[in-house]
Parts: sequence; structure tokens; C-alpha cells
Amino acid sequence: KNEVEQSPQNLTAQEGEFITINCSYSVGISALHWLQQHPGGGIVSLFMLSSGKKKHGRLIATINIQEKHSSLHITASHPRDSAVYICAVRWYTDKLIFGTGTRLQVFP
Amino acid sequence: DVKVTQSSRYLVKRTGEKVFLECVQDMDHENMFWYRQDPGLGLRLIYFSYDVKMKEKGDIPEGYSVSREKKERFSLILESASTNQTSMYLCATLASGRASTDTQYFGPGTRLTVL
Repeated sequence: KNEVEQSPQNLTAQEGEFITINCSYSVGISALHWLQQHPGGGIVSLFMLSSGKKKHGRLIATINIQEKHSSLHITASHPRDSAVYICAVRWYTDKLIFGTGTRLQVFP
Repeated sequence: DVKVTQSSRYLVKRTGEKVFLECVQDMDHENMFWYRQDPGLGLRLIYFSYDVKMKEKGDIPEGYSVSREKKERFSLILESASTNQTSMYLCATLASGRASTDTQYFGPGTRLTVL
């Protein structure tokens, strides 16, 4: 069983829809990261959070430490949001454990 | 802005060849990481280094070695490339002592194909 599980694996949406991607983990963590990977490979960090909620533009990330669960929400989705979204957790070291990613396609 | 560069975006090698993948960062970060990314498996840590000449095995070190002679450069070496090492390779960096407050910065990736 993977220590970090994401759902769904694949997601398609129409432009303007509200999108939710989920991440569950099975170990105690010091922080959880949401990363975005566009076609071509480069990965950028969207959020790092250890409690509560963070918002950046149309993106919102929440975490529930007790339930070991985090969600990434995209409001008013746009085709440029099409990417792979990766959840990763940090275990009190400098190493990350990654989920397998959620591939999102937003159609106009 | 942190800049992490990798020596090649695409690389094609033959089975048995020695392959060098290089990663260079310009932010004076102590920690550097090499990952491989395969469909359905996510990113897996091959090796990481927390200082010059220091290295530690990750989850899948077999068939790989690394070199960190200078702080800004972390090399991944495939001594004898095999077809099962065809993958996307990603380098990342992190400033030390900031594990709870900082994130890893990734390079653009090298897509290696071993024929």
C-alpha cells in the first residue's frame, strides 16, 4: 500500500467547473506539499501546508491532520490548469514521499 | 528565484553505456536530490546529498551512483545503462534546516531513453 494516495488518478472537466483533488497519507508528517507538473516535465510548488487552509488565486489547499487528508481545489477551472497535480508529504526529514499524481484535463 | 538546471532535456543512450546526468543550482542550497519518475509510480528518490562529498541512498539506488564535488553540482551516474533505466530524471534542491518552512525546487527534468 502506498503511503500517499491520491484520487482520482485522472480527471476531466469543462472550463469553469470546480475541481477537487484528494490526498490521503498513512504516516505522521511535518508538512504536505501540492506540486504541479506541466507537459514537458518541470515541477513547481503550489502549496506547502501543515495545518488549516491556504489560498492562492483560484487555488485552495486544505489539510486535516487528524484525518490525514488534504484536498486541492481549483475554482473556475481553465484549460491552462491542465497538468498533473502531485501530493507529497514530509516526514520530519528533508525527504519527500510522493503520490502518483492526478492528471487533470480542462476542456474549453 | 532559485534556478535548478539539468544538463540535457532529452538523452538517448545504448545499453551498457556510462551515462552522466548533471544538475546545477545557483542558490547555495545544501541538500540536493535525484528522483526518477515513471508512469503509475510517481517520483522515487534515487540518492540525495546533504553536503559536499556527502551522499545517502534513497529508495531505489541500485544501478546508480552520485558525485557531489562542489556544492552547486550534483551528478547522477549510470555505470552501465540498462533498458529498465529509461525514465524521466528530476533533480531538486532544498536549503538545510528549513524542512518545515521551505519546499524543494525542481529542475526541468531529463528524459532518458536506453535502447
